[in-house]
Amino acid sequence: NAGVTQTPKFQVLKTGQSMTLQCAQDMNHEYMSWYRQDPGMGLRLIHYSVGAGITDQGEVPNGYNVSRSTTEDFPLRLLSAAPSQTSVYFCASSYSETNYGYTFGSGTRLTVV
Amino acid sequence: GNSVTQMEGPVTLSEEAFLTINCTYTATGYPSLFWYVQYPGEGLQLLLKATKADDKGSNKGFEATYRKETTSFHLEKGSVQVSDSAVYFCALSGGSNDYKLSFGAGTTVTVRA
Repeated sequence: NAGVTQTPKFQVLKTGQSMTLQCAQDMNHEYMSWYRQDPGMGLRLIHYSVGAGITDQGEVPNGYNVSRSTTEDFPLRLLSAAPSQTSVYFCASSYSETNYGYTFGSGTRLTVV
Repeated sequence: GNSVTQMEGPVTLSEEAFLTINCTYTATGYPSLFWYVQYPGEGLQLLLKATKADDKGSNKGFEATYRKETTSFHLEKGSVQVSDSAVYFCALSGGSNDYKLSFGAGTTVTVRA
């Protein structure tokens, strides 16, 4: 099925470990974003991209890196995991910057111990 | 920058009751407005949208009208079902040349049989 695919669905990391959350979409969307969801705080934007080779920081970028080498893929890297990064992470993509809404993946639940 | 304020929950209703979730926004220009729904254990799904003033978005019995004069986009449904139990997020993008999607904190709705 067409959509946004995130892997893994669950992950437990030790403090200081690094990892990459994968995100892929097959809808040829130019716009892609990473959000984290924490209780009572809604979704906060980590990084976003408006096309291959173009990325920028969102509201809470510290501790995360991204790259966009292809239209389809937008991985999120945690450089040195901290307990404050325990959260649910969502990747999303859109055809248009404003009018079409975003399609979301099913999320990655990350726990840092 | 853009911001969204939505009614705090949780909200608990009986089946067939009327649901309203208030949402107000701050933005310059003419943003697009969205309601997303998140069912337990899933990612967010676009419920409805409106892209200009006085537009009414509707889907699955839910409605919301883009009111520029009151900067509001309240979500309503006339008769809720148990299957409407979910977290609802108001969001906006655009306006002020800020095309990133900004979310409210989310409202948890529980419908009891």
